[in-house]
Amino acid sequence: KAGVTQTPRYLIKTRGQQVTLSCSPISGHRSVSWYQQTPGQGLQFLFEYFSETQRNKGNFPGRFSGRQFSNSRSEMNVSTLELGDSALYLCASSQQGNEQFFGPGTRLTVL
Amino acid sequence: GDSVTQMEGPVTLSEEAFLTINCTYTATGYPSLFWYVQYPGEGLQLLLKATKADDKGSNKGFEATYRKETTSFHLEKGSVQVSDSAVYFCAFLWGGNQFYFGTGTSLTVIP
Repeated sequence: KAGVTQTPRYLIKTRGQQVTLSCSPISGHRSVSWYQQTPGQGLQFLFEYFSETQRNKGNFPGRFSGRQFSNSRSEMNVSTLELGDSALYLCASSQQGNEQFFGPGTRLTVL
Repeated sequence: GDSVTQMEGPVTLSEEAFLTINCTYTATGYPSLFWYVQYPGEGLQLLLKATKADDKGSNKGFEATYRKETTSFHLEKGSVQVSDSAVYFCAFLWGGNQFYFGTGTSLTVIP
């Protein structure tokens, strides 16, 4: 089976812009979670989707949003980018009640 | 609330030294427990897991035992190698879909 894929792998944006990141889960996995990883804050949970519905949400401002499509692919969007949004964004997929499988991440740099 | 407390790093060891990374959790029930590893420039990979009390997870020479009485899941390896240099994350799954991650422990093994 193919693993979790994320696109793009690297992204450079400027403050005030918006960005959309994409994640394709492992085939058959219906749960997709997103995390933000920074050197200072570690791994921070953003949100989790299951069957196109957001089930869990972390403590992030409304500028961070996501969605899931009927094929389980997921996107996350960040609007009005700030310098502090520079991070590695990780996507993980899982089957209900099992371990998460992570993608390689998207490295976002905000200038 | 539910949380994971993980030993802070960074940890630096000489090759062939013994490794312990402490992890304790706070949860209202009996979660599944995991250790993930992140090599430089990559996403997280599952290292090992345990789903019930007294289970021992093992992989690549690493071991961890699910201790219900002390709510702990410490990671150990008898003889580390330079290739083990990475960041290690303790995590638990509770309620079927909510993962909780520790802050990560950076390990550097020097020859």
